[in-house]
Amino acid sequence: DAGVIQSPRHEVTEMGQEVTLRCKPISGHDYLFWYRQTMMRGLELLIYFNNNVPIDDSGMPEDRFSAKMPNASFSTLKIQPSEPRDSAVYFCASSFPGHYEQYFGPGTRLTVT
Amino acid sequence: GQNIDQPTEMTATEGAIVQINCTYQTSGFNGLFWYQQHAGEAPTFLSYNVLDGLEEKGRFSSFLSRSKGYSYLLLKELQMKDSASYLCAVRAPTDSWGKLQFGAGTQVVVTP
Repeated sequence: DAGVIQSPRHEVTEMGQEVTLRCKPISGHDYLFWYRQTMMRGLELLIYFNNNVPIDDSGMPEDRFSAKMPNASFSTLKIQPSEPRDSAVYFCASSFPGHYEQYFGPGTRLTVT
Repeated sequence: GQNIDQPTEMTATEGAIVQINCTYQTSGFNGLFWYQQHAGEAPTFLSYNVLDGLEEKGRFSSFLSRSKGYSYLLLKELQMKDSASYLCAVRAPTDSWGKLQFGAGTQVVVTP
């Protein structure tokens, strides 16, 4: 199995630009999670989906962030407009229904200048 | 929310044993997780405890005491490849099922 796939792996953009991060979960997993990791704040859950429906978005920092899951094999996290403080590694993870183990993708390292 | 505490860094010698403690304050409890994260890589699942006691999985064991709000991860027969950050995470019953809150992580350095 290919595991969780994320793209791009690295993204450098200027403040004010729109950024879109992409994720393909493991086939058969119906939970999908978006995390952000920084030195200051550690690993934080932003939002997660079950069967393509957002369940908990309480970790989304503000209206500049949005996430969608149009189908079972694809999700996006969008930041518009981006700010330097959004610089972080963004991980996508997925899990089987009822299972506690989350499988993480390799992450997208975002730098906003 | 949760207040999850774990040491920032620990150093141990190859072949030795290291115990990483994690304490948490929560009004309820619904599971504690340990993840390993090598530098520049994604976290990978190590263990899950929901009942008191010790769960053993090869060289790694995890212990939980719900009454004390305390867990530890025990790494035995340390190898150089065990140098990584170890993240403790808690799921609270007041949170939705999928929501985990992570500690800051403990950086374990294994020396020859």
